[in-house]
Amino acid sequence: EADIYQTPRYLVIGTGKKITLECSQTMGHDKMYWYQQDPGMELHLIHYSYGVNSTEKGDLSSESTVSRIRTEHFPLTLESARPSHTSQYLCASSESGPGANVLTFGAGSRLTVL
Amino acid sequence: QQQVKQSPQSLIVQKGGISIINCAYENTAFDYFPWYQQFPGKGPALLIAIRPDVSEKKEGRFTISFNKSAKQFSLHIMDSQPGDSATYFCAASRGYGQNFVFGPGTRLSVLP
Repeated sequence: EADIYQTPRYLVIGTGKKITLECSQTMGHDKMYWYQQDPGMELHLIHYSYGVNSTEKGDLSSESTVSRIRTEHFPLTLESARPSHTSQYLCASSESGPGANVLTFGAGSRLTVL
Repeated sequence: QQQVKQSPQSLIVQKGGISIINCAYENTAFDYFPWYQQFPGKGPALLIAIRPDVSEKKEGRFTISFNKSAKQFSLHIMDSQPGDSATYFCAASRGYGQNFVFGPGTRLSVLP
């Protein structure tokens, strides 16, 4: 049973639309992450949060934004989607301290922008 | 220095055979080396991990071999089964989950 949930699982939208990818976890983890995954490529960190009201950009530049108003919720928003945003987006969470090395991933949201 | 290199990109193994995936890193500050397994339509899940103070860790059919001087580590899957068919990612981090870096993944197919 997944403890981290992502919706929608699949989304096809037109260019210029605003979209929000939802991510929720029930484990009480302080740390949450968004990764972008393209076929045959490594996972790239685009955003992370170490707690409520804390968000940082990751290694890969992204036009998306995130918010962390509640511990369990870490949504990702694209204000104006473009075809270059087509990808799979994976949300993950972890504990703080020694447990921070164990990432729990959601099943992903596959976004296609036409 | 942040990169983790992984090979091969894809691997086909007969049922019962040994699957071997190799990774190499540059940053000597890394002190945690996990392997994640991802099935189609699912997110990656932690399979096994090792710290550089040991050269080998075994969990069931899965073994990590670690060579600190060569800055390399590998995943060995003994008696490979069709259910092991998945994409495997090596990764590296330092401290408590800092600078988590993933390799590009290896797609393993185990033929029945």
